[in-house]
Amino acid sequence: EVRLVESGGGLVQPGGSLRLSCGVSGFTFRTSWMQWVRQGPGKGLEWVSRINSDGSGTSYADSVKGRFTISRDNAQNTLFLQMSSLTVEDTAVYYCGREWDCSKGRCFTEWIDPWGQGTLVTVSS
Amino acid sequence: QSVLTQPPSVSGAPGQRVTISCTGTSSNIGTGFDVHWYQQLPGASPKLLIYGNTNRPSGVPDRFSGSKSATSASLAITGLQAEDEADYYCQSYDDRLGAYVFGTGTKVTVL
Repeated sequence: EVRLVESGGGLVQPGGSLRLSCGVSGFTFRTSWMQWVRQGPGKGLEWVSRINSDGSGTSYADSVKGRFTISRDNAQNTLFLQMSSLTVEDTAVYYCGREWDCSKGRCFTEWIDPWGQGTLVTVSS
Repeated sequence: QSVLTQPPSVSGAPGQRVTISCTGTSSNIGTGFDVHWYQQLPGASPKLLIYGNTNRPSGVPDRFSGSKSATSASLAITGLQAEDEADYYCQSYDDRLGAYVFGTGTKVTVL
C-alpha cells in the first residue's frame, strides 16, 4: 500500500521556524520526484515546492522562496520542508505528494498522486 | 494566487450531469500545458480524479470525464451521486510564473 505521512506541524510564533517531514512507503522513493502543496483555512490549494529524485534540483513558489527549503533523505524514505521566517499567511495544512509526468506510455505536465493526509501549521502569537 | 478560474459552486440533482469549467490564459493552459483534476471530500486530502486532460486513474468511475480546449478545460460528472459532494480543483503549470497552479476550486452540491 502506498502511504505518505506528514508530521512536524504545530503552533509557531511569527518569525519562527518549523521542519515538516513526509515519511513514504509502498513505492520507490529514491526515483520519485516529490512536491509540497498547502491549503490555508477555508482556502484553495497552493503549490509550494518541488524536488527531483536525488535532491539536486528544487523549485519554489514566489511566496516561499528564500524562506522555505525542500530536501530529502532517500535512505530514510523521507521528504522534508524546512520553513523559516514564518508569517500568519503561512498558516495552512501542508500536504506532500508524489509527482508523476508519464503514465501508460504517455507523458503530460506533471501531476500529484497520491497525497498525504496533511499536517497543520499554525502561525500565531 | 490562483490563475486558473473556476465557478465557486455548481449543483445538481441525483442522476443529473454537471460540468465545472477551468479557465486559464496564454501562459498556462493556452501554452499547451495539460490540466489535471482533483477531488477533495470534506475533511480529506485531495485525490487525483483526471490526469492529462482526459485520463482517469484506475478506480475512478467513468462518470467523471475531462476535456480541454484552447485556454480552458472542463470536468463533467454524469449520473451525479450524493458521494460526489466535494470540492474540485483543476491544476496546470504557468510558464510566466514558473510554478504549478491550481484553480480557485468548485464546490459541488447534490440537491
